[in-house]
Amino acid sequence: QITLKESGPTLLKPTQTLTLTCTLSGFSLRTSGVGVGWIRQPPGKALEWLALIYWSGDNRSTPSLKTKIIITKDTSRNRVVLTMTYVDPVDTATYFCAHIRRYYDPFRGEYLPLVDHWGQGTLVTVSS
Amino acid sequence: DIQMTQSPSTLSASVGDRVTITCRASQTISNWLAWYQQKPGKAPKLLIYEASTLESGVPLRFSGSGYGTEFTLTISSLQPDDFATYYCQQYSTYITFGQGTNLEIK
Repeated sequence: QITLKESGPTLLKPTQTLTLTCTLSGFSLRTSGVGVGWIRQPPGKALEWLALIYWSGDNRSTPSLKTKIIITKDTSRNRVVLTMTYVDPVDTATYFCAHIRRYYDPFRGEYLPLVDHWGQGTLVTVSS
Repeated sequence: DIQMTQSPSTLSASVGDRVTITCRASQTISNWLAWYQQKPGKAPKLLIYEASTLESGVPLRFSGSGYGTEFTLTISSLQPDDFATYYCQQYSTYITFGQGTNLEIK
């Protein structure tokens, strides 16, 4: 059974660095094709994809936050870490990590990421 | 960036109704579209992927259609458990979500 669990601080001050950990269960980052992503949701608002990383280390970030976030993996501990620098009150949100299933697009010759299993989420508040 | 626009933002309906939610992409995404259901305080749940493929375990009253830039999610006969917020999401280029449709009890 695939499960993911987010952990990290619940309250930060502006300009601080946010580090969130996603602990994986039921699947391994050593397995070819495996991916994990981060998505956030400000209170009462829509979902926003942040970043993803694959078993190979290949990673992607949403263009608007590319200079602000880093995604890394710790294969030995089966964890994925999201780091976000210089947080602001607009970064207040529930942060979800999620398992990604890849699908092959034969027309473009590339794999595409489908988010299928989600963690429960963790609320992070940024306030002075 | 590919923008996803859902309509309506809010939909009021009754148990037993047939409802349809529409999602439009700002550029073609083939059939690389998913639908999620989210209840308050919970994580989203995958319902449909590749525009029309039902995820395992999802009731058959849910269906999806569309290709290119126009997509729909249909619930054939609303059940009490279906009142929730629904999001479309493209995964053709990066990942972007629609703004959500709140399906509420009339």
